[in-house]
Amino acid sequence: QKEVEQNSGPLSVPEGAIASLNCTYSDRGSQSFFWYRQYSGKSPELIMFIYSNGDKEDGRFTAQLNKASQYVSLLIRDSQPSDSATYLCAVNTGTASKLTFGTGTRLQVTL
Amino acid sequence: GAVVSQHPSRVICKSGTSVKIECRSLDFQATTMFWYRQFPKQSLMLMATSNEGSKATYEQGVEKDKFLINHASLTLSTLTVTSAHPEDSSFYICSAPPGQGHLGEQFFGPGTRLTVL
Repeated sequence: QKEVEQNSGPLSVPEGAIASLNCTYSDRGSQSFFWYRQYSGKSPELIMFIYSNGDKEDGRFTAQLNKASQYVSLLIRDSQPSDSATYLCAVNTGTASKLTFGTGTRLQVTL
Repeated sequence: GAVVSQHPSRVICKSGTSVKIECRSLDFQATTMFWYRQFPKQSLMLMATSNEGSKATYEQGVEKDKFLINHASLTLSTLTVTSAHPEDSSFYICSAPPGQGHLGEQFFGPGTRLTVL
């Protein structure tokens, strides 16, 4: 079983819609959770992090964490074509700053 | 914000040669840096953790004698791919946790695309 799982996609949403990206993890000891965006040929850039159960909002982005279900998600409201990228979920289990990445979900925002 | 640079951004080399990639933290000190490798359409795979002033910690399956890591200062880590072969062609990315960041937070360099002919 993979430690961090994501649907590879592509997830296609029309411009202006809400994109919902999901991630599950296997280690119950995981403490912090990160969403990175990666454009083709580029390195990842941090979008959000979340530590506590519930929702965390930042602009058009909302991260949701449910530790009981070992599930973290990212919602993107008012999706824009520039949001088209691969979104990587990353989990830290508390070992220094070491991260385990999912395989990423490719998001396509269509006009 | 924390800035991490890498050099070179792209390198093409012949099989059997060695390639050195530099990773620098520009506006903060990094006692730890991470080296990742990413093959096309795959996720980031952690290769090793670079520790300033001590030996790097390699992930299972990563050959430490092939991927030499040196973290000689608080702002510089280098990865040397020795005797590179075509199967080493990949996107190599370094990252560093900011000094006052949250546990697990990392800032990534722009990456180095290695092509071995």
